Amino acid sequence: QLQLQESGPGLVKPSETLSLTCTVSGGSISSSSYYWGWIRQPPGKGLEWIGSIYYSGSTYYNPSLKSRVTISVDTSKNQFSLKLSSVTAADTAVYYCARHSGQYEDWGQGTLVTVSS
Amino acid sequence: AIQMTQSPSSLSASVGDRVTITCRASQGIRNDLGWYQQKPGKAPKLLIYAASSLQSGVPSRFSGSGSGTDFTLTISSLQPEDFATYYCLQDYNYRTWTFGQGTKVEIK
Repeated sequence: QLQLQESGPGLVKPSETLSLTCTVSGGSISSSSYYWGWIRQPPGKGLEWIGSIYYSGSTYYNPSLKSRVTISVDTSKNQFSLKLSSVTAADTAVYYCARHSGQYEDWGQGTLVTVSS
Repeated sequence: AIQMTQSPSSLSASVGDRVTITCRASQGIRNDLGWYQQKPGKAPKLLIYAASSLQSGVPSRFSGSGSGTDFTLTISSLQPEDFATYYCLQDYNYRTWTFGQGTKVEIK
């Protein structure tokens, strides 16, 4: 049974960089034909795809966030990570990591990140 | 970028009702669409993929239809555990993914 777990600071100051890690267990992050993605949900609002990384290392980002987002993978630790730079209060959200092919079959439980001084 | 427009944004229904939610794509996306259910404080759960294929373990009262630009999620007989928010997601080009705005299904 694949499990994903987000980790990282729950509070980030404005203008700083948000950094989260997703640890994958019960399966290999190097599995072919899967993407590993990040999705966020501001409090009381809908879902927004942030970006994804393919098992080969190719990355795909939401055009509205592309200039601030970096997703990377560490196969030795079976983890992938999200960095979002120059954050503002608008980046306050629950951040989910997920495994997907086309659709998103497996999700982490989510972690709330608040941007505040 | 492909835009997904979901309607209605909310609806009130009773247990046993038939419920229909619609998602419209800004361009044709073949059948590259999924539907998700999200309950408060929980991650979304995949219900339907490829517009009409039921994900393993999902009750058969959930069904999806459509192709091209217009898609529908139907709950044939609403159950107490179905009160939640539902989202569509297009995966047409495997380079960007777009969610609909969500439909909250509430108890009448």
